[in-house]
Amino acid sequence: GGIITQTPKFLIGQEGQKLTLKCQQNFNHDTMYWYRQDSGKGLRLIYYSITENDLQKGDLSEGYDASREKKSSFSLTVTSAQKNEMAVFLCASSLRGSQNTLYFGAGTRLSVL
Amino acid sequence: GDSVTQTEGPVTLSEGTSLTVNCSYETKQYPTLFWYVQYPGEGPQLLFKVPKANEKGSNRGFEATYNKEATSFHLQKASVQESDSAVYYCALSESNYNVLYFGSGTKLTVEP
Repeated sequence: GGIITQTPKFLIGQEGQKLTLKCQQNFNHDTMYWYRQDSGKGLRLIYYSITENDLQKGDLSEGYDASREKKSSFSLTVTSAQKNEMAVFLCASSLRGSQNTLYFGAGTRLSVL
Repeated sequence: GDSVTQTEGPVTLSEGTSLTVNCSYETKQYPTLFWYVQYPGEGPQLLFKVPKANEKGSNRGFEATYNKEATSFHLQKASVQESDSAVYYCALSESNYNVLYFGSGTKLTVEP
């Protein structure tokens, strides 16, 4: 088995601040994802990466940057935190190709003051 | 684009009663359909998936049938337990890169 580790678990930021969330996986999976989870809206895709140094935009990419320097890690940056923003950011990984299971981390909970 | 619509929650049931969570989807392709479950403080985890139309998936007493004609994938369980309390997500995947589109989630609370 493997595990996905997201850091930090909780992140409190100020309006306008640039914030970085990190994700590590030891499944040796090719594809990694960042989803945003808001109450009542489900999970929405921000970015995904099918291999090292690859980046693909999801439906919610505006306001975010991502980086995949290594196969095992995938970072997400909130470029300018919005006041009163609250959400959970979930990282996931999977084998390449359709029909494969996504394995999720426990999430980073963001609050912006 | 692709979309998934599911029963709005929250849903509260008594232990031993039956559960149905409706899920319908829209896509121009031939998707694989998934049910994920999320327990408090954890990420979503796969409950089961069904890649082909007219087939049924099941796990832990939960089941759903991929109905291509009705574009539905309703989750059912005959007798729920308190330990089934969680948020349930219906999802579809149809791209080669395994991008999943999720519904809004249905929070289930089962009372003893």
